[in-house]
Amino acid sequence: NAGVTQTPKFRILKIGQSMTLQCTQDMNHNYMYWYRQDPGMGLKLIYYSVGAGITDKGEVPNGYNVSRSTTEDFPLRLELAAPSQTSVYFCASRTGGNEQFFGPGTRLTVL
Amino acid sequence: AQSVTQLGSHVSVSEGALVLLRCNYSSSVPPYLFWYVQYPNQGLQLLLKYTTGATLVKGINGFEAEFKKSETSFHLTKPSAHMSDAAEYFCAVSDLNAGNMLTFGGGTRLMVKP
Repeated sequence: NAGVTQTPKFRILKIGQSMTLQCTQDMNHNYMYWYRQDPGMGLKLIYYSVGAGITDKGEVPNGYNVSRSTTEDFPLRLELAAPSQTSVYFCASRTGGNEQFFGPGTRLTVL
Repeated sequence: AQSVTQLGSHVSVSEGALVLLRCNYSSSVPPYLFWYVQYPNQGLQLLLKYTTGATLVKGINGFEAEFKKSETSFHLTKPSAHMSDAAEYFCAVSDLNAGNMLTFGGGTRLMVKP
């Protein structure tokens, strides 16, 4: 199993540009999550999904959108990038035993 | 709302010394508690978790944590630090009302001196 994979690893965006961060898991987990990690702040939940076709907002959803058309994929969309979205983004999926598995992260810089 | 507080954003110990990383939480329901480790430029890896049952939980790499309900604490310990333990450690609590989302503490960076 590859676990949770994320692409790209790094990206630099200009203010106002759009992009999609990809996340795929091969563990057949229903629950998936997107977090952002800012220095010294721990991780904050952006969006989560409890299964294909079902998504909900987390703590910091503004400026982001998600979709979940399949069990495996949970992409995160930034429509109008802002400097405040400079962060490291982690995708995770969860087992029935409540353990979350994290991807390696995407480091995004908005200039 | 749940919250997690990790005392000490940086902890430095000598190799072979005891490691103690502190975590206190607030939760209105019985919590699920977790410790994750993050090595540089990597994702988070689960060290250990408490759900129900025995309050002393053993994890990977010789770490353990004790759930103390009366103190709302879940401190992480390791008897003897190794250089390879240098990393950032995150305590987290699970919210059963929001897709089991994790609320994280701010993290503690552990440095191990030779």
